[in-house]
Amino acid sequence: DSGVTQTPKHLITATGQRVTLRCSPRSGDLSVYWYQQSLDQGLQFLIQYYNGEERAKGNILERFSAQQFPDLHSELNLSSLELGDSALYFCASSSQGLSGNTIYFGEGSWLTVV
Amino acid sequence: AQSVTQLGSHVSVSEGALVLLRCNYSSSVPPYLFWYVQYPNQGLQLLLKYTSAATLVKGINGFEAEFKKSETSFHLTKPSAHMSDAAEYFCAVSESTSDYKLSFGAGTTVTVRA
Repeated sequence: DSGVTQTPKHLITATGQRVTLRCSPRSGDLSVYWYQQSLDQGLQFLIQYYNGEERAKGNILERFSAQQFPDLHSELNLSSLELGDSALYFCASSSQGLSGNTIYFGEGSWLTVV
Repeated sequence: AQSVTQLGSHVSVSEGALVLLRCNYSSSVPPYLFWYVQYPNQGLQLLLKYTSAATLVKGINGFEAEFKKSETSFHLTKPSAHMSDAAEYFCAVSESTSDYKLSFGAGTTVTVRA
């Protein structure tokens, strides 16, 4: 158990709909990351938040948005869903700095768009 | 810009044989390098990481990797494969020294033959 909790684990929705994926980071971790794993694109970084503020953006579509709340949990909002958005969405958390710290990944939220 | 190339999308080894997974990186700055393992229906687990200290890095479960700057490589090895090593393995690179904005390779699936 990584200590990172993601809900829901599985989600099936129709094209054009909107969904929200939720992530609770490990206790004490201020950074939250979202990654997408799909057959077409592989694993790619979407966005990072640090202590409530957006810190870095990757290949995140404009239809997608995220936020981190004062209690440090994060939500990834996916709207106007397309078939190609079907993927496994990972949340991860870490303390600041790479050398002495590790990033911990949740088990992911499987999104299927039909 | 940073990127990772994993040579071989699928590797099959006999139990007790050497496991060698190849990773080459491209980075404009001294990189931080990582190997992750993903078991079916699970999140990503860190095997080991290189953060500019010793070039030979030892990780969990008997894995190790050697950073070779001249070859821009970070190959993962394990002397003796075990059935439990069957999984997908990802090499990743980060140019940031403070955040886990990772670029992942396409992954290598390892199967272990009895």
